[in-house]
Amino acid sequence: ETGVTQSPTHLIKTRGQQVTLRCSSQSGHNTVSWYQQALGQGPQFIFQYYREEENGRGNFPPRFSGLQFPNYSSELNVNALELDDSALYLCASSEMNRGLGGYTFGSGTRLTVV
Amino acid sequence: AQTVTQSQPEMSVQEAETVTLSCTYDTSESDYYLFWYKQPPSRQMILVIRQEAYKQQNATENRFSVNFQKAAKSFSLKISDSQLGDAAMYFCAYRRYNSGNTPLVFGKGTRLSVIA
Repeated sequence: ETGVTQSPTHLIKTRGQQVTLRCSSQSGHNTVSWYQQALGQGPQFIFQYYREEENGRGNFPPRFSGLQFPNYSSELNVNALELDDSALYLCASSEMNRGLGGYTFGSGTRLTVV
Repeated sequence: AQTVTQSQPEMSVQEAETVTLSCTYDTSESDYYLFWYKQPPSRQMILVIRQEAYKQQNATENRFSVNFQKAAKSFSLKISDSQLGDAAMYFCAYRRYNSGNTPLVFGKGTRLSVIA
């Protein structure tokens, strides 16, 4: 059973640029969620994808968008990067309607915007 | 909106001793789940223990146990016989009950140091 894999592990971008982060979900999981973890903070929910559609969204602007593919992997896209977008981005996969727990997290992508 | 508060930014414990990490939350829901996650330097969030709000019995997982006080909206984590490998950031998290997958709401975390 493979876990959640995220790429790249680290990334440096310039303000105003666009970035794409990738996530491969755990085998058997059909739902992917993305979280942003700023330095010294807990993770904050960005959005969730189920059956290739957005299935819930946190308080993030539209320049944060995503995709889910038929194999349940996912991408997080951020346009017009701002300095405050610098953070650790975590992906978590799960089975829909699994109930208690069931989230498996990846090791994240550390994004630095300069 | 639900909120989770961890009032201890940092804690330390001697190896083999016991430590308790505090967590309070605010919700108007009656059915929900509570979790403690561990985040070591590898950055991956690892589930330590979970509790269903409708269960009065406190959850236990080996050296880890919780004290769940629903009326007080308190959910503390006790680590017994602390080991060097327990050193990490610990996050308390809340999740509203729903038939679908509801998102996790995290606290700001507590950094636990274990002293040899």
